[in-house]
Amino acid sequence: QKEVEQDPGPLSVPEGAIVSLNCTYSNSAFQYFMWYRQYSRKGPELLMYTYSSGNKEDGRFTAQVDKSSKYISLFIRDSQPSDSATYLCAMSEGGSQGNLIFGKGTKLSVKP
Amino acid sequence: ETGVTQTPRHLVMGMTNKKSLKCEQHLGHNAMYWYKQSAKKPLELMFVYNFKEQTENNSVPSRFSPECPNSSHLFLHLHTLQPEDSALYLCASSQVQGASGYTFGSGTRLTVV
Repeated sequence: QKEVEQDPGPLSVPEGAIVSLNCTYSNSAFQYFMWYRQYSRKGPELLMYTYSSGNKEDGRFTAQVDKSSKYISLFIRDSQPSDSATYLCAMSEGGSQGNLIFGKGTKLSVKP
Repeated sequence: ETGVTQTPRHLVMGMTNKKSLKCEQHLGHNAMYWYKQSAKKPLELMFVYNFKEQTENNSVPSRFSPECPNSSHLFLHLHTLQPEDSALYLCASSQVQGASGYTFGSGTRLTVV
């Protein structure tokens, strides 16, 4: 079983839709969880950062972490064509033993 | 710019060439990383430097050789590459290894012919 599982999509939604992106993981020691957005021909940029379980909201974006289920989600409300990108989840144990482990990324397309 | 600058943006090299990729960060971060991004695969961690010291070499072939002369600069020296090494090579930095958000450069798109 891979350490971080993420459905690569592609996922296509109409403008204004609520988008749900998810990752599952197997390592119960992960405690730092992140979502990155990567536009074509660009490097990933940090979108959301969460420590341990819980929710975090930033504008139209909400990140959820459920450590008991080893499941993290990113919700995008009122999606816009400019949200079209690949979204990568990433997580780490932290400390000197913990480097970021990435999912494969989900390619999202928001149609006007 | 994101604060992490990578050059060149694109590189085409033959299997017998020697070339180097350069990364520079202007964020005062202490950790720097090289990642390889191939189609339909997760980002693969190659090397980690923490306070200029290499702390991880993720079983990378010796045809890839990193160098970190100071905490702001990171190089990846390439020689005798194979076509399967064609990929996007990303440099990243972070304040703390593993626990803080990484800032990525735009990458070098490498094609080995």
